[in-house]
Amino acid sequence: KAGVTQTPRYLIKTRGQQVTLSCSPISGHRSVSWYQQTPGQGLQFLFEYFSETQRNKGNFPGRFSGRQFSNSRSEMNVSTLELGDSALYLCASRLPSSGGYSYNEQFFGPGTRLTVL
Amino acid sequence: AQSVTQLDSHVSVSEGTPVLLRCNYSSSYSPSLFWYVQHPNKGLQLLLKYTSAATLVKGINGFEAEFKKSETSFHLTKPSAHMSDAAEYFCVVSDRDTGNQFYFGTGTSLTVIP
Repeated sequence: KAGVTQTPRYLIKTRGQQVTLSCSPISGHRSVSWYQQTPGQGLQFLFEYFSETQRNKGNFPGRFSGRQFSNSRSEMNVSTLELGDSALYLCASRLPSSGGYSYNEQFFGPGTRLTVL
Repeated sequence: AQSVTQLDSHVSVSEGTPVLLRCNYSSSYSPSLFWYVQHPNKGLQLLLKYTSAATLVKGINGFEAEFKKSETSFHLTKPSAHMSDAAEYFCVVSDRDTGNQFYFGTGTSLTVIP
């Protein structure tokens, strides 16, 4: 099975621009989560999508948004980029929960390295 | 509320000696616990997971971890370190109280000295 893929792998933008990152989950995985990783803040949860619906959301401003398509592929968008948005953005997928309780691990993609100048 | 504390931000060991990476967690319910490894400029790879079955969990590359509920700990060990083990390690807790969201520790950087 192919793993989680993320595109692009590297991106350089300037302040004020917007950016869209893409994630294709493992086949059959309907849950997709996004994380931001920085040296100072570590791994922070952005949001999780399941069956095209946002199921959980982390503590990020509204400039960060996402969506999921019917084929479970997901995109995240950051508008009005700030220098502090420079980070590695990781996408992860997993099998859906059963009965509200999930033992399922998440499988991570290689990440998109975003640099904001 | 869920949280994870990785007690050491950096650990250095000599090649061939044991590895111990410490993790304490808090959780309202019976948690799922995971250890992930991240090599430089790579995504995260699952080492092992605990999901309320056996308390001693064996993972890939010779790693194992023991779930101790009384101590709320889930320490990661390996009998003999290899140079390729040098990486960042993350302990993760998840439970249904927060919709199975993953909570990551701050990470432990493992250095292996030849």
